[in-house]
Amino acid sequence: LAKTTQPISMDSYEGQEVNITCSHNNIATNDYITWYQQFPSQGPRFIIQGYKTKVTNEVASLFIPADRKSSTLSLPRVSLSDTAVYYCLVGWGLTGGGNKLTFGTGTQLKVEL
Amino acid sequence: SQTIHQWPATLVQPVGSPLSLECTVEGTSNPNLYWYRQAAGRGLQLLFYSVGIGQISSEVPQNLSASRPQDRQFILSSKKLLLSDSGFYLCAWINRQGAGELFFGEGSRLTVL
Repeated sequence: LAKTTQPISMDSYEGQEVNITCSHNNIATNDYITWYQQFPSQGPRFIIQGYKTKVTNEVASLFIPADRKSSTLSLPRVSLSDTAVYYCLVGWGLTGGGNKLTFGTGTQLKVEL
Repeated sequence: SQTIHQWPATLVQPVGSPLSLECTVEGTSNPNLYWYRQAAGRGLQLLFYSVGIGQISSEVPQNLSASRPQDRQFILSSKKLLLSDSGFYLCAWINRQGAGELFFGEGSRLTVL
């Protein structure tokens, strides 16, 4: 199973772009990379998912280099409401296999005025 | 649409008392089901997961157990609670078909006194 490593915390200011990198050196060929956001006393919410290269949706971008041993979540123009813990989760292969889904420690993002 | 429900939302239990947390999923069939625990200020710890009725994989040897009596029902239990069992318990499901995201319930906050 791919173990993930993220910075424990990051600080930013409103309006800035934030990039959070996750290392997953032993990612399997079939593994997806998924990012979640968690607010206090709530379950994590899906942000974005990718397999390789770049993925963009309405809230974030996900950059995955060719070797797939890391990934970077990019949040454009953060606001105070983006203060949360962000988790990178690696697993759940292309065919829906892979049942054990283990989260890493996550990154606490704090956004200030 | 798919939904997931957990209950109770909050409970305070004395040490040594039993525990039963329930989780049900609607709008899907044959999901993978997960129980996570989050201690105060900590990350998500995978406790149990299930790929089908009666099939339980335990990740952490402790005084907790899980059962899946029906396809969309997942129960977390304990015969005798410990102080260290306090935390925020989250149930989650994922569609076994293709790339998926974890959907989390609202969580159950347990305080053991």
